[in-house]
Amino acid sequence: DTAVSQTPKYLVTQMGNDKSIKCEQNLGHDTMYWYKQDSKKFLKIMFSYNNKELIINETVPNRFSPKSPDKAHLNLHINSLELGDSAVYFCASNKGPSSYNSPLHFGNGTRLTVT
Amino acid sequence: DAKTTQPPSMDCAEGRAANLPCNHSTISGNEYVYWYRQIHSQGPQYIIHGLKNNETNEMASLIITEDRKSSTLILPHATLRDTAVYYCIVRALYNAGNNRKLIWGLGTSLAVNP
Repeated sequence: DTAVSQTPKYLVTQMGNDKSIKCEQNLGHDTMYWYKQDSKKFLKIMFSYNNKELIINETVPNRFSPKSPDKAHLNLHINSLELGDSAVYFCASNKGPSSYNSPLHFGNGTRLTVT
Repeated sequence: DAKTTQPPSMDCAEGRAANLPCNHSTISGNEYVYWYRQIHSQGPQYIIHGLKNNETNEMASLIITEDRKSSTLILPHATLRDTAVYYCIVRALYNAGNNRKLIWGLGTSLAVNP
């Protein structure tokens, strides 16, 4: 069974479009994250939700809006896509932000290409 | 923003031990050291973490110096499947609460050669 699953795996779209990426975890974790990995391979946190509450919101354009319908799901909606949004987006989860002994479990990423 | 320093790349012969160093000279007393790896086209995978004492699990060993300013991840018998980028991370405070995030550097690209 896949612990953290993301869909789609690949997403190719044109500038200006709106798209969503979905993430689900079946580990019973309370906290979920979105990370962005750019072409230089830097992995940067974007958002984090704990029990459906936003707890980390990095300096991300307002075009990015996370939504957590329940603690097992964290979706990422992106409006008016730009070329610079092209990257690999990773979803992750763990037991909670204050739990030092709870490592992050990552999905296999969504490769977004904006043309 | 990364608080760790790692060599950009290393090579290791298959079957030999791979020793991956990491400097974290500004680490705080309550910050843990985490190691993850990322195999090509996959999400990062947790390996091990520690605070002060050396740690060992089924994947690797973590050796932390007494002053905690550096650590070494040891893969005792490297295989071709261990070829990956290895990230050494310290857990940093994000805000005044207990919420924390990991700050990721560029890691070490380990090539295990036959």
